[in-house]
Amino acid sequence: GDSVTQMEGPVTLSEEAFLTINCTYTATGYPSLFWYVQYPGEGLQLLLKATKADDKGSNKGFEATYRKETTSFHLEKGSVQVSDSAVYFCALSISNDYKLSFGAGTTVTVRA
Amino acid sequence: DTAVSQTPKYLVTQMGNDKSIKCEQNLGHDTMYWYKQDSKKFLKIMFSYNNKELIINETVPNRFSPKSPDKAHLNLHINSLELGDSAVYFCASSYRGADTTQYFGPGTRLTVL
Repeated sequence: GDSVTQMEGPVTLSEEAFLTINCTYTATGYPSLFWYVQYPGEGLQLLLKATKADDKGSNKGFEATYRKETTSFHLEKGSVQVSDSAVYFCALSISNDYKLSFGAGTTVTVRA
Repeated sequence: DTAVSQTPKYLVTQMGNDKSIKCEQNLGHDTMYWYKQDSKKFLKIMFSYNNKELIINETVPNRFSPKSPDKAHLNLHINSLELGDSAVYFCASSYRGADTTQYFGPGTRLTVL
């Protein structure tokens, strides 16, 4: 079945450090890939997405590139802030499949 | 204006009780979802409705019964609550299938005592 594996946390960083969260997927078709973020006490928000191979999604300084050859969609940010502390979820969906399949989530804490 | 809203935000109840969670979206979407987030933050689809029709029922116990009176609403009724039902339940909506962006509600934290 379709599944997402992402780097286990928790991850603790200092402000202005570089962040990478690894995400790989298994899918029978050609998935769309997403990163969602969940801030403390809130629901999920879409951070970025990519719908085909080699697409790069970007938002709020975060980037991820859809790599079909390595079935990966790693999330990166060059300089994190305290406000980036959250849980990050990698997810996929297959066209006309009415659901998102999520990775286990990675908790990121950024210290001042 | 809130795009996807859920009520209540917190729900504390006793084992064996019946409870409902309501969800409404004002985005004009035709597809709505219920997800369950467990204590380890893992998220799993429970149900999906497209144009008021059930599309996905992901092996959820039949104590859980979703109801969609119209495209803007998807409610979740739970009978005979069990301790293991304690979780955060998220409603979401989107256009067409899940390959478009899903917008999530703030969640309902259910605690069964």
